[in-house]
Order: sequence, then structure tokens, then C-alpha cells
Amino acid sequence: GAGVSQTPSNKVTEKGKYVELRCDPISGHTALYWYRQSLGQGPEFLIYFQGTGAADDSGLPNDRFFAVRPEGSVSTLKIQRTERGDSAVYLCASSLSAATGRNQPQHFGDGTRLSIL
Amino acid sequence: AQSVSQHNHHVILSEAASLELGCNYSYGGTVNLFWYVQYPGQHLQLLLKYFSGDPLVKGIKGFEAEFIKSKFSFNLRKPSVQWSDTAEYFCAWRGQGGKLIFGQGTELSVKP
Repeated sequence: GAGVSQTPSNKVTEKGKYVELRCDPISGHTALYWYRQSLGQGPEFLIYFQGTGAADDSGLPNDRFFAVRPEGSVSTLKIQRTERGDSAVYLCASSLSAATGRNQPQHFGDGTRLSIL
Repeated sequence: AQSVSQHNHHVILSEAASLELGCNYSYGGTVNLFWYVQYPGQHLQLLLKYFSGDPLVKGIKGFEAEFIKSKFSFNLRKPSVQWSDTAEYFCAWRGQGGKLIFGQGTELSVKP
């Protein structure tokens, strides 16, 4: 079946530009997570949604980053005034639910490799 | 803050050697622990998970992990590795709302 889909797979842009990264979760999954993985590091949590609302955005590094999920399915991570330090692989994951039960594994997409020149 | 530590950055083994990758976590409350694997060019995949019960957990592809509460550890093991196990391995602890706290990863290279 279809997994988590992320687009684009690669994005190269100049410092100061605005970027949008898209995540299409597995159908029926209400919980959606964004992580960022820098070279040589494990993924770091950014934000997660339960349905349409951001339940925890404590991992967003600053106010240049925000994410939306207006219809409770597709999510977009938006980065304003990009900086070279934003270069990383941005991962999206989804699970059936964050709230009900604990035995809900997260399924990851392939990620978007973002490079800021 | 909760954290997960993986002791080895890069492990190199020959085929048929035994594997043990270390993982320690800092939080003493409810324990939900995972091992994920990332094969070259592929996305993260779940190897195994522990929530409660038998502390020896069996996962896919012959992997297992042992939860030792007194040591705050959740080490990954495999009796005999294959070349196809070459990948990066991540230990993770699940926090509130399901967000995962990952270790820094261990790169495993298996020589044929």
C-alpha cells in the first residue's frame, strides 16, 4: 500500500528564500510528525499534529518555521528567510493516532533533502 | 530533558559475527522504546519495539533487544550479521503525544 509521501525529494535554494515542504500521510492516519535530521545525527522532533491542530510545536527552532495541516491530512512545513543552518533532511511520519493507545508505530517518508546555498 | 545515547558511532563487522549496539535512555518514567533501521537510500523502518512485559523483544530480520530497567538500557543484538544488515540504526524513546527522541545513530558496516 501507499506509504508516507514527501515532496520534493530534494530542494536547493538560496539563503533568504522561502520554502515549503509537503507531507502526504498514510490514509487514515490522524497523527502526523515532522522531524529534522542533520548530517551524522539522529532525527530531531519539530512538531506534531493530531488531526488539524498542532498538539506540540516545542521542537520548532524559531519563528521562521511553522507548519499547517488544514484538513487533517496533508501537511506543509514552511520555512521563511532560510539560513544555511537550515540545511538538513526533513522527515515526516504518520501513525494511526497519538492519543489512543501506545502501540502505534510511526511510518516514515523518504524525507526532503533541503540545501541552502 | 529526556535523551537517548548510542555508544558507537560506527561499527565494522565481518559476516557471521555477532552484533550488539548499545542504547541508554535518561527518562525513568513510562518506557516506550524502539529501534529503527535506515538502509542506504531508504526511509526509516521499525525493527522492534518495547512497551511492557517480557524484556527480551524479538523483531524482524533476526534482531532482538533486551530492556534492562536498572541500567536504563535497550541494547540491540543479532547473533550472526549479514552483508545486507549494513545500515544505520537508531534507538528511540517515545515521549508524550508519541514524539520520538532519537539517539545519534550507529552506522553498521558488514564486510562480506
